[in-house]
Amino acid sequence: AQSVTQLDSHVSVSEGTPVLLRCNYSSSYSPSLFWYVQHPNKGLQFLLKYTSAATLVKGINGFEAEFKKSETSFHLTKPSAHMSDAAEYFCVVRSTSWGADGLTFGKGTHLTIQP
Amino acid sequence: ETGVTQTPRHLVMGMTNKKSLKCEQHLGHNAMYWYKQSAKKPLELMFVYNFKEQTENNSVPSRFSPECPNSSHLFLHLHTLQPEDSALYLCASSQVETGPYGYTFGSGTRLTVV
Repeated sequence: AQSVTQLDSHVSVSEGTPVLLRCNYSSSYSPSLFWYVQHPNKGLQFLLKYTSAATLVKGINGFEAEFKKSETSFHLTKPSAHMSDAAEYFCVVRSTSWGADGLTFGKGTHLTIQP
Repeated sequence: ETGVTQTPRHLVMGMTNKKSLKCEQHLGHNAMYWYKQSAKKPLELMFVYNFKEQTENNSVPSRFSPECPNSSHLFLHLHTLQPEDSALYLCASSQVETGPYGYTFGSGTRLTVV
């Protein structure tokens, strides 16, 4: 079985400061890992993915994540937060038990940006 | 718009009602999914359709009945729901051959069961 644990349910940072959203995963195999973002009243938007090609993955809107196998982590970072980054962020692992690439989601981290 | 359209955006229904949620994708994808997002819980995969065939049912109660008439449309038929079924129901689509890279989600239907 595969799972993800998002270590913080809420994170609050000031605009212009770095963002760190933490995610640990559990997987029997080499995982495919993703980050999705959900803005209020909107659907989920793909941010980035890791699929073993490179451990440092760059996504949209200045976000990036680093895959660390030794730590089973896939933390999401951004050097400088913007007000528009306020949203719910989900760490996701591909569930190989599903026939059509179902995804297993973490519980989410609510990111608040202080002006 | 993401290319995956869900209607209605909001739905309030009584426990004895019958209603349907609709999802439509214009991306040429061949797999479609229903997810349930409840407060304070991770998104839960409910159903998977691969080339119009249901390939997974994640132990979902029979009061939820999916239908996939073609690769572009997906329905979730609802009947005799319970208040705990109130949640955001998200539809997603992907292209199976290219792996899990192309997941696209709709904006969801906010369902309230009274």
